[in-house]
Amino acid sequence: QVQLVESGGGVVQPGRSLRLSCAASGFTFSNYGVHWVRQAPGKGLEWVAVIMSDGKSKFYVDSVEGRFTISRDNSKSTLYLQMNDLRAEDSALYFCARDRGASALYCDYWGQGTLVTVSS
Amino acid sequence: EVVLTQSPVILSLSPGERATLSCRASQSIASYLVWYQQKPGQAPRLLIYDASNRATGIPARFSGSGSGTDFTLTISSLEPEDFAVYYCQQRTNWPLTFGGGTKVEIK
Repeated sequence: QVQLVESGGGVVQPGRSLRLSCAASGFTFSNYGVHWVRQAPGKGLEWVAVIMSDGKSKFYVDSVEGRFTISRDNSKSTLYLQMNDLRAEDSALYFCARDRGASALYCDYWGQGTLVTVSS
Repeated sequence: EVVLTQSPVILSLSPGERATLSCRASQSIASYLVWYQQKPGQAPRLLIYDASNRATGIPARFSGSGSGTDFTLTISSLEPEDFAVYYCQQRTNWPLTFGGGTKVEIK
């Protein structure tokens, strides 16, 4: 069955960096786009970034553009999110989610999330 | 950016009642509207894609309709497991955006 397992979250000071990982299994990872979606405590969902199946096309929400980098290693079936210059407003539960296709731009399977807290 | 406005914010209903949730887009998004359900402590679950297509395994009591800027998610007869938060999402323009959510709570 499809599984997505995020890791790498934690408490980090403002301005520091963190790298999230998402290990995928149960499907051919290289055939699908993959997203990061976040949810601040008690708040709604916010789409963060997507990387298409080809690994070349990447898109970000404006608030993270230039600070976050999404990448993938198809040989390891793993998605990454490198987060630099973290801010308090980046504190959230970060979900990894599979695109329904190569670039359908919506998500059919989700991980359980990894929590990022940015605080001094 | 396409802004999605969901209403009502909270919907208080009893099991067996019909739920009607609205999602309005700030500009036309054709039929590229998706609905998710999220229960406390869980990841979102895909319900409806492209406005009216049920995802795999979603019960027939869930239906979606609309196009352009106005969309509706209908739950024909609420089951106890349907009390949750529902989000809409558009996939037409960058950045992808979600609505603020509608919480369906037990009356």
